[in-house]
Amino acid sequence: EAQVTQNPRYLITVTGKKLTVTCSQNMNHEYMSWYRQDPGLGLRQIYYSMNVEVTDKGDVPEGYKVSRKEKRNFPLILESPSPNQTSLYFCASSFGTSGEGEQFFGPGTRLTVL
Amino acid sequence: GQQLNQSPQSMFIQEGEDVSMNCTSSSIFNTWLWYKQDPGEGPVLLIALYKAGELTSNGRLTAQFGITRKDSFLNISASIPSDVGIYFCAGQLKVYAGGTSYGKLTFGQGTILTVHP
Repeated sequence: EAQVTQNPRYLITVTGKKLTVTCSQNMNHEYMSWYRQDPGLGLRQIYYSMNVEVTDKGDVPEGYKVSRKEKRNFPLILESPSPNQTSLYFCASSFGTSGEGEQFFGPGTRLTVL
Repeated sequence: GQQLNQSPQSMFIQEGEDVSMNCTSSSIFNTWLWYKQDPGEGPVLLIALYKAGELTSNGRLTAQFGITRKDSFLNISASIPSDVGIYFCAGQLKVYAGGTSYGKLTFGQGTILTVHP
């Protein structure tokens, strides 16, 4: 089944404890992206990647890092999480390096930082 | 950056009623997309609109790409309980960064739809 998977689905952590949220897609998509969803704000882009080893900042990159060592994986790293990073996170992918057209979303990771 | 205003923020309707929601922007987009998010899931694409003035239907859903390219609406006819969820509009615009281009998505704030049986 073609899909985007994220792990973990739920995470409660404490301020300052480094964490990684994994994202993997099995559709051979070039473009991948991370979003955070907050009430009343919709989805905002954190980082995106147009291809392996090509990443760039989205609208809200502060406090996050990403890497794209393989086409299928795009992990999101929080080196020192803070409470304002409590949110619902979505990974997405699309065919083609441009990310134009339909983006397929993962099921989401709900993160709570205490 | 670009901002989308989506309204209404929430709707409480009876099963069988029609629903209408819209998005407006201060700037133009090349593509308008409508997504639905079920509880505990990621957004799923409902309709994509690629040309100004385009009117597209998908079952009970109808969406239009505004002539000015700054707005779009989504209508749902004869609502049913499984229509419950959050509906997002998204505008897509080709942007250039580092010598390449990509289709940046900007999302509206979402419309929370509740359907009473």
